[in-house]
Amino acid sequence: AQRVTQPEKLLSVFKGAPVELKCNYSYSGSPELFWYVQYSRQRLQLLLRHISRESIKGFTADLNKGETSFHLKKPFAQEEDSAMYYCALNFGNEKLTFGTGTRLTIIP
Amino acid sequence: KAGVTQTPRYLIKTRGQQVTLSCSPISGHRSVSWYQQTPGQGLQFLFEYFSETQRNKGNFPGRFSGRQFSNSRSEMNVSTLELGDSALYLCASSFNLPGNTGELFFGEGSRLTVL
Repeated sequence: AQRVTQPEKLLSVFKGAPVELKCNYSYSGSPELFWYVQYSRQRLQLLLRHISRESIKGFTADLNKGETSFHLKKPFAQEEDSAMYYCALNFGNEKLTFGTGTRLTIIP
Repeated sequence: KAGVTQTPRYLIKTRGQQVTLSCSPISGHRSVSWYQQTPGQGLQFLFEYFSETQRNKGNFPGRFSGRQFSNSRSEMNVSTLELGDSALYLCASSFNLPGNTGELFFGEGSRLTVL
């Protein structure tokens, strides 16, 4: 079955420390992967997509087909990074499937 | 450009009642997707409409239904409400099919409480 898994519901990191939000998927094909973020009192919004290979707000995400993972990383956490993060995949069926989300808290 | 607008923002219903939620997409967007957001399950896909046609449907019972109008506005309906239907219902729009670019623009949601 096609599935997106975010194993951590909650993640706390000290300011200035590296951040890694995990995302694993199960799919035999080549999915398109995205990270969405929801800051406090704001709408859910796209953070980045893997095909763009971009760095947004210092975050990057690399697709590892061998491990079927798409972890989100940032070398130095900032307080404004505190938010809810969702990994999302398009399994080729024209809809986005979201993970259950990880709430990231940056400790000052 | 106005964002995705959802109405009502909050509503309280009792078990057995039915509810209709409305979503106005960003002007020019032809695709509307609906998601149910709960703390335990995250975002669960309900359905997606493109040019008035339902293109995808999630694993929800038939009590959940939706439609899209010619102006791309969409409504979803939940009949015979159950306590477990309490959730934030999010609508998202995109210009093309979501799978094409993956960028969905979300509304603020309609928070439904079933008593």
